[in-house]
Amino acid sequence: QVQLVESGGGVVQSGGSLRLSCAASGFTFSTYGMHWVRQAPGKGLEWVAFIRYDGSNKYYGDSVKGRFTISRDNSKNTLYLQMNSLRAEDTAVYYCAKDRSGGQYYFDYWGQGTLVTVSS
Amino acid sequence: DIQMTQSPSTLSASVGDRVTITCRASQTISTWLAWYQQRPGRAPKLLIYKASSLESGVPSRFSGSGSGTEFTLTISSLQPDDFATYYCQQYDTYSTFGGGTKVEIK
Repeated sequence: QVQLVESGGGVVQSGGSLRLSCAASGFTFSTYGMHWVRQAPGKGLEWVAFIRYDGSNKYYGDSVKGRFTISRDNSKNTLYLQMNSLRAEDTAVYYCAKDRSGGQYYFDYWGQGTLVTVSS
Repeated sequence: DIQMTQSPSTLSASVGDRVTITCRASQTISTWLAWYQQRPGRAPKLLIYKASSLESGVPSRFSGSGSGTEFTLTISSLQPDDFATYYCQQYDTYSTFGGGTKVEIK
């Protein structure tokens, strides 16, 4: 069965950096696009970033463009999110999510999420 | 950017009720719309994609309709497991979620 397990969350000071990981199993990771989606405490969902199955294309939401970098290692079945210049408004649960197919930007499997708290 | 507006933001209903949630897009998105259910402390779960296609394993009491800018999610007979928050999502241009609709017990 498909499993996505995020890690790397924690408390970081404003202006700091953090790298999230998402370990994937139960499907052929190297053939699917992957996303990060976040949810601030008590708030709704916000799409953060997408990476094509082969890593050749990456797209970002406006609020994180220039600060966050999505990447993947298909040999390790792992997705990453490097977060720099963190702000209080980046505090959220970060989910990795599998693209249904063909980069259609909707998500058929989600991880359990990892909490990032940015303290000022 | 495409904005998604859901209504109502909160809905009180009883088991067995028919429930309808509306989602409006700020510009036309054809049928590039998905619906998710999220229970407290859990990840979202895909219910509907392409506006009206039911995800495998999702009960048939859930249905979606609409195209262009107006969409609805209907639960034909609310069950205890259905008390949750529901989000619409456009994927015509990147991705944007609606603000959510919390379905509460009346």
